[in-house]
Amino acid sequence: GAGVSQSPRYKVAKRGQDVALRCDPISGHVSLFWYQQALGQGPEFLTYFQNEAQLDKSGLPSDRFFAERPEGSVSTLKIQRTQQEDSAVYLCASSPRRVGNSPLHFGNGTRLTVT
Amino acid sequence: GNSVTQMEGPVTLSEEAFLTINCTYTATGYPSLFWYVQYPGEGLQLLLKATKADDKGSNKGFEATYRKETTSFHLEKGSVQVSDSAVYFCALTPTGTASKLTFGTGTRLQVTL
Repeated sequence: GAGVSQSPRYKVAKRGQDVALRCDPISGHVSLFWYQQALGQGPEFLTYFQNEAQLDKSGLPSDRFFAERPEGSVSTLKIQRTQQEDSAVYLCASSPRRVGNSPLHFGNGTRLTVT
Repeated sequence: GNSVTQMEGPVTLSEEAFLTINCTYTATGYPSLFWYVQYPGEGLQLLLKATKADDKGSNKGFEATYRKETTSFHLEKGSVQVSDSAVYFCALTPTGTASKLTFGTGTRLQVTL
């Protein structure tokens, strides 16, 4: 079956541009997470959705970062006025349950390079 | 807050060698502990997990035991293969929360013939 799909796979943006990163979770998965992985580091939590509700956005580094999941399926992470420090791999993960320790299914990520 | 510390890589081993990747954690309460693996060109995959003290997670010949007294979750494998070459991440989630993972920085394993 299809896994978590992210697009684009690679994105190059000039400093100051806005970008939008898309995540298609596994069909029927309730929970959706966004993580940011800087080069040589582990992923860091950005935000969490349960269906269409954004229940936790404590990891978003600034108000330039915005995420949505309007119909409880596809999610978009938007970064406004990109800065060089935003360069990273952005990972999306989904899970079939609301809470608990069900494993996350990760996509392959979008590598964002800001020049 | 919660944190995970794992040994720095890269770790280079010959095929059939014994592997240990150390992982220690800081968390309140009784977190669940995980090892994720990232093969070249692929997304993160769950390798194994343990949800309470003294539990042993195992998969594909890898094992890790949840040691609360030493706050550790070291990954071991008795005989590595070239196909095990990947980056390994130790992670935790606090008990009773959604699967909001805190990751270590990752350890790259390179296995040679």
